[in-house]
Amino acid sequence: GAGVSQSPSNKVTEKGKDVELRCDPISGHTALYWYRQSLGQGLEFLIYFQGNSAPDKSGLPSDRFSAERTGGSVSTLTIQRTQQEDSAVYLCASSLQGSPGNTIYFGEGSWLTVV
Amino acid sequence: GDSVTQMEGPVTLSEEAFLTINCTYTATGYPSLFWYVQYPGEGLQLLLKATKADDKGSNKGFEATYRKETTSFHLEKGSVQVSDSAVYFCALSEVLTGGGNKLTFGTGTQLKVEL
Repeated sequence: GAGVSQSPSNKVTEKGKDVELRCDPISGHTALYWYRQSLGQGLEFLIYFQGNSAPDKSGLPSDRFSAERTGGSVSTLTIQRTQQEDSAVYLCASSLQGSPGNTIYFGEGSWLTVV
Repeated sequence: GDSVTQMEGPVTLSEEAFLTINCTYTATGYPSLFWYVQYPGEGLQLLLKATKADDKGSNKGFEATYRKETTSFHLEKGSVQVSDSAVYFCALSEVLTGGGNKLTFGTGTQLKVEL
């Protein structure tokens, strides 16, 4: 597609439920990133994919968070047993390759509210 | 770890005023530096970047110079417009395990331009 596409754009869920957030990166981009934007913490790195593998998961805040990428394209971020502190905007981004010179393009985000 | 500090907002200016948003960083090595902008209701967009010391990034009338001696990357624009109202994020990149390019963001500075 023309840009990074994320769905759903908004999600309200009850505490304790699982949620899945989807990201469709720019076609041909091998590097994919998930970030979280929240009022208290600003923009935080969560995880990086190169192709289907995730060499860096250092930003995942707890073992309730996981992510996968299939076919070198679409990625899903899963949050199990959601808590209120998980409420945030989850941003997906992609770049042509993982090297520092490549521009990282962001999607518009998935707004998650846990009630 | 690496970090970015940018001036607190909100910043309110009259149209055609001069803009400076300060940004300083702490990093081991020589990161690339970026300014991203988030317009109301939209996703993060890359505004400009600089990849080495003394480089100047520029776009849409905005400029920032990579100053290694002062570890700074201040954003400037000579004459702001109402359409520049947005949140501006300074960021640096560091190389991740296995390649990849992690962005560390400042807290963001909200700019409001009034007629």
